[in-house]
Amino acid sequence: DAGVTQSPTHLIKTRGQQVTLRCSPKSGHDTVSWYQQALGQGPQFIFQYYEEEERQRGNFPDRFSGHQFPNYSSELNVNALLLGDSALYLCASSGPGEVGWGNEQFFGPGTRLTVL
Amino acid sequence: SQQGEEDPQALSIQEGENATMNCSYKTSINNLQWYRQNSGRGLVHLILIRSNEREKHSGRLRVTLDTSKKSSSLLITASRAADTASYFCATAMYYGNNRLAFGKGNQVVVIP
Repeated sequence: DAGVTQSPTHLIKTRGQQVTLRCSPKSGHDTVSWYQQALGQGPQFIFQYYEEEERQRGNFPDRFSGHQFPNYSSELNVNALLLGDSALYLCASSGPGEVGWGNEQFFGPGTRLTVL
Repeated sequence: SQQGEEDPQALSIQEGENATMNCSYKTSINNLQWYRQNSGRGLVHLILIRSNEREKHSGRLRVTLDTSKKSSSLLITASRAADTASYFCATAMYYGNNRLAFGKGNQVVVIP
């Protein structure tokens, strides 16, 4: 089992550009969540995808969008990049099925985005 | 806004000692989880405690939860150099919802 995988590992962009980050969930998982982690901070929830729909969203602007594919993999897109978007972007997968009292989330290694 | 606030922020201990970290949160929760992060990479789930539980153990880890004080503690016993990492508490507010709100984290350094 490969666990959660993310690509690319590192990315350097300039302000105003657009970026796409990719995530493959752990085998058997159907829910993908994305988090942004600024240096020295805890991760911040961006949004969550389930059954190819955005199920819930954190306090992030519309420049952040996503997609989930039928095979449960997911993409995070960020448009009009700002310097403040520089961070580690983490993907987490969980499932399948009902969350109930809560379930363990498996995190990928992250994509380090630097905006110059 | 940050849901969890860990205390202390940084901890340096000798190998073999115990490490204790605390976390407080502001709203009612469904569960609280602790994660470990090595060198700014992916997070590893350590333990989940439900809001109706008071204490939980997993190997060398002991977690307590006091919902009346909205606080939790993580105890690592007999620490090892490999325990050097950042530790985060995260809360899920609602039953059936696993959206996590993370604290700022504790940096723990275990000196061999």
